[in-house]
Amino acid sequence: DAGVIQSPRHEVTEMGQEVTLRCKPISGHNSLFWYRQTMMRGLELLIYFNNNVPIDDSGMPEDRFSAKMPNASFSTLKIQPSEPRDSAVYFCASSTNGATNEKLFFGSGTQLSVL
Amino acid sequence: AQSVTQLDSQVPVFEEAPVELRCNYSSSVSVYLFWYVQYPNQGLQLLLKYLSGSTLVKGINGFEAEFNKSQTSFHLRKPSVHISDTAEYFCAVNPMDTGRRALTFGSGTRLQVQP
Repeated sequence: DAGVIQSPRHEVTEMGQEVTLRCKPISGHNSLFWYRQTMMRGLELLIYFNNNVPIDDSGMPEDRFSAKMPNASFSTLKIQPSEPRDSAVYFCASSTNGATNEKLFFGSGTQLSVL
Repeated sequence: AQSVTQLDSQVPVFEEAPVELRCNYSSSVSVYLFWYVQYPNQGLQLLLKYLSGSTLVKGINGFEAEFNKSQTSFHLRKPSVHISDTAEYFCAVNPMDTGRRALTFGSGTRLQVQP
C-alpha cells in the first residue's frame, strides 16, 4: 500500500488566495483526520470523518476553513481566503479502527506558506 | 476533554546513553495511549501503544513505555540511544468513550543524540 497520500507537498501562495489541500487515505480505512502543526501550537486536530461523514469540526479555526470527503478515497481541506497565520504543515491521517485509532497512519504533510 | 503534557521540549543525550521522555495526561475518561516519532520533513510514525493488559509496552527501535494510571503518566524509555534516534517524539491519547474519537497530542519533545 502506498500509505496516506497528500498533495501538494509544498504550497506557496499570497494572502487572499484560495488554497486546496488534498488527501487520499489508505484503502479500507474508514476514519480520516486533518491536523495542523505549528511551532506555537503543536499538532491540532482540525476535523475528522468517519465513513465520509464529518464527526467533529470543532478544531476548524474559522469559516475560512472547510473540509469535504466526497467519497472514501478522497478528502480536501480548503482555505478561502488564506492569511499569513495559516502558514503551517497540514497533515492528513487515516485509521481503520475509529474506536481505538491504534492503526493511525499519517501522510507526509503539506507545507503551506502564505505570504 | 483530554490534554497531554510533555514537560521537556528538548532532551540532549550522548550516544549509547539511556533516555526517558516524560508524558503526563489529563482526562475525564479512560484513554488509550500512544507514542509517535517524527523525523525531519516526514509525517508521524507509531512507536508504541497501550490499549490494555501489561502496563509495560514495547515498541519499535528498542523503545518501551510504562503506563502508570495513578500518576497518569506514560513515559518513554530507551536503554541506549543511537544517532538515528534524533527526532521529535509525541505522546498522544485517544478517549475510550463514545465521544470524540481522535488523538490529542502533546507539544512534542525533541531528542538530540550527540556523538
